[in-house]
Amino acid sequence: EAGVTQSPTHLIKTRGQQATLRCSPISGHTSVYWYQQALGLGLQFLLWYDEGEERNRGNFPPRFSGRQFPNYSSELNVNALELEDSALYLCASSSSETQYFGPGTRLLVL
Amino acid sequence: GDSVTQMEGPVTLSEEAFLTINCTYTATGYPSLFWYVQYPGEGLQLLLKATKADDKGSNKGFEATYRKETTSFHLEKGSVQVSDSAVYFCALMGGSNYKLTFGKGTLLTVNP
Repeated sequence: EAGVTQSPTHLIKTRGQQATLRCSPISGHTSVYWYQQALGLGLQFLLWYDEGEERNRGNFPPRFSGRQFPNYSSELNVNALELEDSALYLCASSSSETQYFGPGTRLLVL
Repeated sequence: GDSVTQMEGPVTLSEEAFLTINCTYTATGYPSLFWYVQYPGEGLQLLLKATKADDKGSNKGFEATYRKETTSFHLEKGSVQVSDSAVYFCALMGGSNYKLTFGKGTLLTVNP
């Protein structure tokens, strides 16, 4: 069974640009979660999507947004990038309370 | 709000040594508890979980018991291997919001 996949693996942007990160969940999973792993800040919850709807949001500004498509894949968009947005962005999927993580997208903002 | 406190390390052990990584939590209600492992350059892998008091999660020789009275979920392994070198995260999921709250992670290095 294929696990959670994320693309791209690495992304380099400059300050002020927009970044789009993609996630495909495990087949049969309807929920997708996004987490940010920034140096010194640990793992922080960003967003939860289920059945196409945003269900919960972490303590992040509105320039972090996303969506979930009918096939349950998801996009995370980060607008007006700032240097401190540099981090590993992890996507997870679940069909119950256990979340399974993808390998992450490493975003570097210069 | 919910929080997880774990020993930050780094922890350095010799192969075949006994491992304990402490984890305590604060949460309302009865959260589910998890240990995840992150190998260098990779995402998180679920190591084990427990969903109610006195449950013991186990996998690959690792164990952790959900202790409600001490709000703890300490990770143990009787004999570590070099391949166990990784960062270990304790996490909880409380209530109905289905978000994971993580500890800061513990870097474990096992030397041959």
